[in-house]
Amino acid sequence: GAVVSQHPSRVICKSGTSVKIECRSLDFQATTMFWYRQFPKQSLMLMATSNEGSKATYEQGVEKDKFLINHASLTLSTLTVTSAHPEDSSFYICSARERVGYTFGSGTRLTVV
Amino acid sequence: QKEVEQDPGPLSVPEGAIVSLNCTYSNSAFQYFMWYRQYSRKGPELLMYTYSSGNKEDGRFTAQVDKSSKYISLFIRDSQPSDSATYLCAMLKETSGSRLTFGEGTQLTVNP
Repeated sequence: GAVVSQHPSRVICKSGTSVKIECRSLDFQATTMFWYRQFPKQSLMLMATSNEGSKATYEQGVEKDKFLINHASLTLSTLTVTSAHPEDSSFYICSARERVGYTFGSGTRLTVV
Repeated sequence: QKEVEQDPGPLSVPEGAIVSLNCTYSNSAFQYFMWYRQYSRKGPELLMYTYSSGNKEDGRFTAQVDKSSKYISLFIRDSQPSDSATYLCAMLKETSGSRLTFGEGTQLTVNP
């Protein structure tokens, strides 16, 4: 089946630094990828839709300058959390659609200290 | 009102029990209905999806969709401790730009 690889699985960074998270579709091409954020014991919150070769579409309330998304190829999308602060600590998950099913990455737990 | 409602639980059952998980929704435009399983600190894993009304079975799992009642269910037979996870329902309408709409998730624990 379709596989989405997400790295790193866990990252700890200092406040004020930037962190890049990668999401790759391994055996299919994904013109669209999705980035979610998940707080403990809560459902997934869609942050943005990443479109290959064009600008990402951000959900209301998500700062595009803080969460930079780049979808430079049909198999790779990246999310960069810029100038991270402790309130950005969360579980970030990417997803790509293959036919009807959406495949999710394994998630990245970001801790900002 | 949320588009998709799901009881967050938690739900605790003994091993071997039949588990019933449910979601209701308000938007009749939803066409695809999915169930995901999410283990702690992992990404969601697609269990099953159905298109429109009807039943679909895969091993110990059965998904049901009743569009007339705007109600979907996931049944787990002979539940195992390894089924302990959060189960999320998700729905898709093609006019939404391929965006999934999730339920809140139900936390399930199967006790040995």
